[in-house]
Amino acid sequence: AQRVTQPEKLLSVFKGAPVELKCNYSYSGSPELFWYVQYSRQRLQLLLRHISRESIKGFTADLNKGETSFHLKKPFAQEEDSAMYYCALSGHKGYSTLTFGKGTMLLVSP
Amino acid sequence: EPEVTQTPSHQVTQMGQEVILRCVPISNHLYFYWYRQILGQKVEFLVSFYNNEISEKSEIFDDQFSVERPDGSNFTLKIRSTKLEDSAMYFCASSATVPGELFFGEGSRLTVL
Repeated sequence: AQRVTQPEKLLSVFKGAPVELKCNYSYSGSPELFWYVQYSRQRLQLLLRHISRESIKGFTADLNKGETSFHLKKPFAQEEDSAMYYCALSGHKGYSTLTFGKGTMLLVSP
Repeated sequence: EPEVTQTPSHQVTQMGQEVILRCVPISNHLYFYWYRQILGQKVEFLVSFYNNEISEKSEIFDDQFSVERPDGSNFTLKIRSTKLEDSAMYFCASSATVPGELFFGEGSRLTVL
């Protein structure tokens, strides 16, 4: 069975502070990991995926297979980063079915 | 920029009634999905659809649920006899490739009374 755990429901930081949103997964094979974001009153959208190894809006995430983690990081948070962040896993080779974590609300205060 | 569109945005229905939620995926996408999110809980996979048939479904997707692509553009989710616990936000998504980025609609909120 595959499972995604996001231990924090809410993360509140001040503007300019570093941010780390935690994500741990459980999957027996080689998963694909994603971060999706939902800004207020907007749809879920892909933020980044581990295979692309890119930085989007200053966010990065490294897949650590030893720790089965895919934490999302940003060195200096901005107010516009406030949103709901979902870690997701795709363990299937054929299809893009995603297993989501419960999500972490990030609030960035001025 | 192309988007996945969903209708209705909100539907209120009585328990036992049939509900159809509609989705228009992005036009060149071939893979379609329904997810749902009960208030306060995680987004859960319901079903994926490719080449006019279900490719995968979760335990949630029981005989009360069905999906259809009736006309080459719409992708519908039908709940035959709604229950109180079907109240949730239902998200449609589509992707061009697998594995690939899923593009989500804004969701349809279903309230069962």
